[in-house]
Amino acid sequence: QQQVKQSPQSLIVQKGGISIINCAYENTAFDYFPWYQQFPGKGPALLIAIRPDVSEKKEGRFTISFNKSAKQFSLHIMDSQPGDSATYFCAASIGTSGTYKYIFGTGTRLKVLA
Amino acid sequence: DAGVIQSPRHEVTEMGQEVTLRCKPISGHNSLFWYRQTMMRGLELLIYFNNNVPIDDSGMPEDRFSAKMPNASFSTLKIQPSEPRDSAVYFCASKTEGGELFFGEGSRLTVL
Repeated sequence: QQQVKQSPQSLIVQKGGISIINCAYENTAFDYFPWYQQFPGKGPALLIAIRPDVSEKKEGRFTISFNKSAKQFSLHIMDSQPGDSATYFCAASIGTSGTYKYIFGTGTRLKVLA
Repeated sequence: DAGVIQSPRHEVTEMGQEVTLRCKPISGHNSLFWYRQTMMRGLELLIYFNNNVPIDDSGMPEDRFSAKMPNASFSTLKIQPSEPRDSAVYFCASKTEGGELFFGEGSRLTVL
């Protein structure tokens, strides 16, 4: 119930294409769904996040789509660039006052070909 | 702000030795998390603290692992004795209540 399942494990996209990464969860208590981007040798960094009261959130070329009934959410990277090549993690969090538990997916290694 | 600071960045040790990883969270952050990253298992939550108190240590793999947070600006993750299967990148992260989770750059541990 605490798992977040992420797919695909790896993804190769041509420059200018759309990258799509999917995640699914079981625990309906999750109330915050961030995506993290990690470059080699670095820690993950927050990219974009969504709460379950909205179905979509867009920031620049990055969009999260959220389907509460299906318990799924996805990251779309429009006009993918070689600089987007990184590992992407979805996560889900249960946030209550003073206590948080961030559960991460297993990651998707994205490579954007020039 | 300097961000979350972890040390050492790289550690190579032999099986059976004690390993201590250190973390300094961002000043003012009251929650601290230890994660382990491997290719096979991704990012696993080991333990997290809120206001220096351990909240959930269910992810700590076994008794060889222990973590402490003696004050708001320092935490340690100790492995004793270490084993080759402990080889991984260990991340520390911190956040404020309602704020974003910030990760350090990680400590890469290799146990021979």
